[in-house]
Amino acid sequence: DSGVTQTPKHLITATGQRVTLRCSPRSGDLSVYWYQQSLDQGLQFLIQYYNGEERAKGNILERFSAQQFPDLHSELNLSSLELGDSALYFCASSAGGLEETQYFGPGTRLLVL
Amino acid sequence: AQSVTQLDSHVSVSEGTPVLLRCNYSSSYSPSLFWYVQHPNKGLQLLLKYTSAATLVKGINGFEAEFKKSETSFHLTKPSAHMSDAAEYFCVVRLRGGGKLIFGQGTELSVKP
Repeated sequence: DSGVTQTPKHLITATGQRVTLRCSPRSGDLSVYWYQQSLDQGLQFLIQYYNGEERAKGNILERFSAQQFPDLHSELNLSSLELGDSALYFCASSAGGLEETQYFGPGTRLLVL
Repeated sequence: AQSVTQLDSHVSVSEGTPVLLRCNYSSSYSPSLFWYVQHPNKGLQLLLKYTSAATLVKGINGFEAEFKKSETSFHLTKPSAHMSDAAEYFCVVRLRGGGKLIFGQGTELSVKP
């Protein structure tokens, strides 16, 4: 167990809908990262937050957004969902320094029908 | 640009025989390199990491990897495979000065009895 928790574990929804994925980092970790794992794209970095502020952006669609709250948990919001958004979404956390190891949560599996 | 290439999408070994999972990286400078493992329906677990200290890195569960700058390789090895090693393995590079991880396409390891 990495200490990173993600909810829900599974999510099934329809095209056009909006969902929110939640991540609680390890105790004391200030950085949160979101990754998407799909069959065609593999594992890709989406976005990073550090202590409430966006620090880095990757291949994140404009329909997707994220935030990190004062208690350091993070949410990834996915809107206007398409079939191709079906994937496993991972959250990772690290202590905060750029050289810190990232610890991954169990993921949220999203299925868009 | 930094990238990693995992040379085999699938490796099959017999229990008790050695494991070799190959990874080559591309980087303009000395990278931070990692191996993560993903068991079926599980999150990503860190096996080991290289951050410019010793070139031979020992990880969990008997795995180790050697950083070879001249060959730009970071191959993962284990002397004797166990059935529980069956999983997907990812070679990962971290961008210098940033937290973003770049994942290889993964190598699926099968272990036959």
